[in-house]
Amino acid sequence: DTEVTQTPKHLVMGMTNKKSLKCEQHMGHRAMYWYKQKAKKPPELMFVYSYEKLSINESVPSRFSPECPNSSLLNLHLHALQPEDSALYLCASSQDPGAPRKFFGPGTRLTVL
Amino acid sequence: AQSVTQPDIHITVSEGASLELRCNYSYGATPYLFWYVQSPGQGLQLLLKYFSGDTLVQGIKGFEAEFKRSQSSFNLRKPSVHWSDAAEYFCAVGGYSGGYQKVTFGIGTKLQVIP
Repeated sequence: DTEVTQTPKHLVMGMTNKKSLKCEQHMGHRAMYWYKQKAKKPPELMFVYSYEKLSINESVPSRFSPECPNSSLLNLHLHALQPEDSALYLCASSQDPGAPRKFFGPGTRLTVL
Repeated sequence: AQSVTQPDIHITVSEGASLELRCNYSYGATPYLFWYVQSPGQGLQLLLKYFSGDTLVQGIKGFEAEFKRSQSSFNLRKPSVHWSDAAEYFCAVGGYSGGYQKVTFGIGTKLQVIP
């Protein structure tokens, strides 16, 4: 299995809602990532998890809260988002933090009303 | 700091014509280089990568890229474009930073294919 899966595929939420994005991989990878991609822009790194511990937070607002319950799962909890947070959220994994190749999931298209 | 420049934001080619997408990178050591393709609303699919060795790299879907250290370039080529190749193409450079392999993406080149 060389796939990263993400659910849901699409999500629409209000600014007062709480929702979560889920990412899963079964490749035995020990590094996982969240990226945010706005329309017509390249992906931007948000968080890096290394061996289930948060190692990089690229100054992301606290309304985004990542969680890594185990080595296969990565969640992104969303609360009190703003319309400008609407974007494609991509999850990725790599064999370990030093491995150059990232495997990307299909993304979750988030719309904040 | 590492960076990637894709000078062409939008390219239009006729189906069956050849294609070259340009990419220049900046990195202090030998870089890891990637080309990704993204269809509208989709995730990123890896087309090919260069880590070391042969500077001409073959990828999926008939794409190839050539690493030229002297020019700091990693241009993507395809001899004959198909309508299904219409998508956004991202060049990326990987380098070690802050305890992990950081990937920096270029701004992307949108490819339009006309019949």
